[in-house]
Amino acid sequence: AQSVTQLGSHVSVSEGALVLLRCNYSSSVPPYLFWYVQYPNQGLQLLLKYTTGATLVKGINGFEAEFKKSETSFHLTKPSAHMSDAAEYFCAVSSGGYQKVTFGIGTKLQVIP
Amino acid sequence: DTAVSQTPKYLVTQMGNDKSIKCEQNLGHDTMYWYKQDSKKFLKIMFSYNNKELIINETVPNRFSPKSPDKAHLNLHINSLELGDSAVYFCASSQDRGEAFFGQGTRLTVV
Repeated sequence: AQSVTQLGSHVSVSEGALVLLRCNYSSSVPPYLFWYVQYPNQGLQLLLKYTTGATLVKGINGFEAEFKKSETSFHLTKPSAHMSDAAEYFCAVSSGGYQKVTFGIGTKLQVIP
Repeated sequence: DTAVSQTPKYLVTQMGNDKSIKCEQNLGHDTMYWYKQDSKKFLKIMFSYNNKELIINETVPNRFSPKSPDKAHLNLHINSLELGDSAVYFCASSQDRGEAFFGQGTRLTVV
C-alpha cells in the first residue's frame, strides 16, 4: 500500500520569501516520488521527480526537493517565491506494482505581493 | 503536438443523460489512467489500463465504463449522469514507474 500526506492545504508566502511545501509518504517498497503543479483551469505539470540516486532533485522554475528516507519525506522548496508560483501543488508516490500513482490532497500556494 | 489530449474540454449535460470523454496519447506509453478531481481539488484514480487491459478499478460506480480500443486511446463512458458526477476528469499516461503525463481535463457539469 502507498499513501501521501501533504501538510497544509493552504500556504501563503510573501513574494521573495522561501517556499516550503511538505510531503510525507508511505510505501512498502522504495518509492518513486513526484511533485506536480496545477495552474487554474489546466492539467497537472511535472515539477520534479525522484527515482533513485541523488536525493536532492532539481526541477523546473527553480524548485527542488530532497528525498529523506529516514523521515519518509519529500518536501518541496524554492528560495524565493514569485507571483507566478501561485498554484496548486501535488505530491505523488509510485510504488510500482500496477504502476498506480497516488496523489496527496494538494497544497494551494498563495504568493502575497 | 499535444502529448495527452482529451475531448471535450467542457461538457454540460442534464441528469440522466449518457456521455463520453475521449483520450488519446502519442507518447507510446503502455499505461493510461482516468482521474477524477473534485471541487476541493482532490485527485482520485478511477481506472488504469496497461496495454488495453484493465488493471485498476477503484470502486467506481458501474455507470462509468472505460474502453481502450488500443494502447493509445482510453475513453470514458458515463451512463445515467448524476449531479455528484460533476467534476474535472483527467486522462493521463505513463511508462513503467515514470511520471504521469496529464491531459488538460474535461470539466463535466451535470444540471
